[in-house]
Amino acid sequence: QQQVKQSPQSLIVQKGGISIINCAYENTAFDYFPWYQQFPGKGPALLIAIRPDVSEKKEGRFTISFNKSAKQFSLHIMDSQPGDSATYFCAASPSNTGKLIFGQGTTLQVKP
Amino acid sequence: NAGVTQTPKFQVLKTGQSMTLQCAQDMNHEYMSWYRQDPGMGLRLIHYSVGAGITDQGEVPNGYNVSRSTTEDFPLRLLSAAPSQTSVYFCASRFSVGTDTQYFGPGTRLTVL
Repeated sequence: QQQVKQSPQSLIVQKGGISIINCAYENTAFDYFPWYQQFPGKGPALLIAIRPDVSEKKEGRFTISFNKSAKQFSLHIMDSQPGDSATYFCAASPSNTGKLIFGQGTTLQVKP
Repeated sequence: NAGVTQTPKFQVLKTGQSMTLQCAQDMNHEYMSWYRQDPGMGLRLIHYSVGAGITDQGEVPNGYNVSRSTTEDFPLRLLSAAPSQTSVYFCASRFSVGTDTQYFGPGTRLTVL
């Protein structure tokens, strides 16, 4: 079964708009929640990550919101730019295992 | 630092052939892993290693073997390729199990006919 469910599968946003991608998880042993960004033909790269002791983390235009009771977390991209067009993956990791369980991915297109 | 490197970039195999996907890192990372990426499936963990001489299975290990004789290298072997193994394979590394940032290589696109 899919331990981390990601939605939507694809997203089209106008330049300057807000992009929102959602993830839900089942395993309460997960304690690390990263988001990865992947450009075509490249490997994924860590974008931003959060641990369950905080409800929000912001780095520049990228924000993770985390709801521990609902077992959900989301990525918000403010002032979306065409250069943000990529595939985004959420992931979750059980404590001190190093293993990453990935969501299915969201292809984001930001239109100029 | 070159980071995480993978060879080859592309490979076409016939069913039943064997091959080894190479992965190397020059960051002295203890933890290395292999993922496969398939459309609509995200990335799935195949095998991982927490240090030289230590390997373990991930989510989808069947049909793949690994070994870790040095800290730098973590090759992935396909023993008898099947069309279901057509995928993009990514190697990744991190300093240790307890550190957060994982670095991915550029990937190997494998097609099995």
